[in-house]
Amino acid sequence: DGGITQSPKYLFRKEGQNVTLSCEQNLNHDAMYWYRQDPGQGLRLIYYSQIVNDFQKGDIAEGYSVSREKKESFPLTVTSAQKNPTAFYLCASSTQGSRNIQYFGAGTRLSVL
Amino acid sequence: KQEVTQIPAALSVPEGENLVLNCSFTDSAIYNLQWFRQDPGKGLTSLLLIQSSQREQTSGRLNASLDKSSGRSTLYIAASQPGDSATYLCAVGARETSGSRLTFGEGTQLTVNP
Repeated sequence: DGGITQSPKYLFRKEGQNVTLSCEQNLNHDAMYWYRQDPGQGLRLIYYSQIVNDFQKGDIAEGYSVSREKKESFPLTVTSAQKNPTAFYLCASSTQGSRNIQYFGAGTRLSVL
Repeated sequence: KQEVTQIPAALSVPEGENLVLNCSFTDSAIYNLQWFRQDPGKGLTSLLLIQSSQREQTSGRLNASLDKSSGRSTLYIAASQPGDSATYLCAVGARETSGSRLTFGEGTQLTVNP
């Protein structure tokens, strides 16, 4: 099956803890993205990466970190510096160019204990 | 900074009705515009992508138009069905030196009643 896999589906974070959300794609896409969605709102861009070993901050990068060591993988770490981490996190990937449809994973719902 | 607005925030229609969802954006220098569908608690599914040089795209009962000069796009759904019930999101693409990225609207929650 081709697509984007996010894990886990649900994640709980304790106070002061860092947690990592996994995103893997087998679509051979160069670009990958992380978004945050709060209830009743649209998506806000956290980080994005156009090629391996390179990534850019989006609109709400504070309290988050990423890595892009492999083309297929783009993990997101929610650090203890992120004071309001409860949200739905979505990963996406796309090709380059003006026909770059973004394909999304099923999401990870993060809650604070 | 690009801002994307979708009107209405929610819409309820009877089955079979034709409907229009609206999207407006503040910066007309766009790369492309995409419409997505999101079911509750799920990821997004791409419906249509319009490149900046195009005026419209069609897929089945869906038709999306783009007017860059006025900063508007519409998604037309013909003969709506209960299965069309979902949140529809508009996203505007920008080309930057570091690549391309999307700015999303807050979505229109559509309910089609049998």
